[in-house]
Amino acid sequence: AQKVTQAQTEISVVEKEDVTLDCVYETRDTTYYLFWYKQPPSGELVFLIRRNSFDEQNEISGRYSWNFQKSTSSFNFTITASQVVDSAVYFCALSEARTGGFKTIFGAGTRLFVKA
Amino acid sequence: DAGVIQSPRHEVTEMGQEVTLRCKPISGHNSLFWYRQTMMRGLELLIYFNNNVPIDDSGMPEDRFSAKMPNASFSTLKIQPSEPRDSAVYFCASSPQREVLNEQFFGPGTRLTVL
Repeated sequence: AQKVTQAQTEISVVEKEDVTLDCVYETRDTTYYLFWYKQPPSGELVFLIRRNSFDEQNEISGRYSWNFQKSTSSFNFTITASQVVDSAVYFCALSEARTGGFKTIFGAGTRLFVKA
Repeated sequence: DAGVIQSPRHEVTEMGQEVTLRCKPISGHNSLFWYRQTMMRGLELLIYFNNNVPIDDSGMPEDRFSAKMPNASFSTLKIQPSEPRDSAVYFCASSPQREVLNEQFFGPGTRLTVL
């Protein structure tokens, strides 16, 4: 079965702290994709990163970094030196290849509060 | 380029009424997704289309919900009759899926309130 678990419902940090958002997934497919999306208070969902199941390299983009570990089925997201503008709900998502297309399942989301 | 366009942005209706939500995907994208977001259930995939064909509608909650994609540039999600528990934000997303799965581009959402 396809499943994404974001165990942290809410996280509150003070500006400039580092914060890691956890994501654990379940899939029986060998080919799949993992995503992180951000939903700021304005409501729209914004794509942050995509990873395929054959690429376990970690990635860094500015203050954002992602740690993909197939051995633990985890795809964690770290924000370094958090800022108030990082306050949002962050969703981890998993897509499996299906006949004719891809089905995406989102985790429940982690709400991040960054206080000044 | 315009992003995914959804209309209306807000809809308030009374129980029992028919509601139609509309979506225009990004030109050239061949996959389209409808999601529902509520506090209780989070973000749920309702249905998705690939090349205008419904691929998986297992997320559609019940027969009151139906979705169509008559052409590559337009899709509708209809609820008939609507119920208060249908109140949610409905997102449409599109994606240029080809050999490699690409990210989804989300519309601004339609906030539906059923009284």
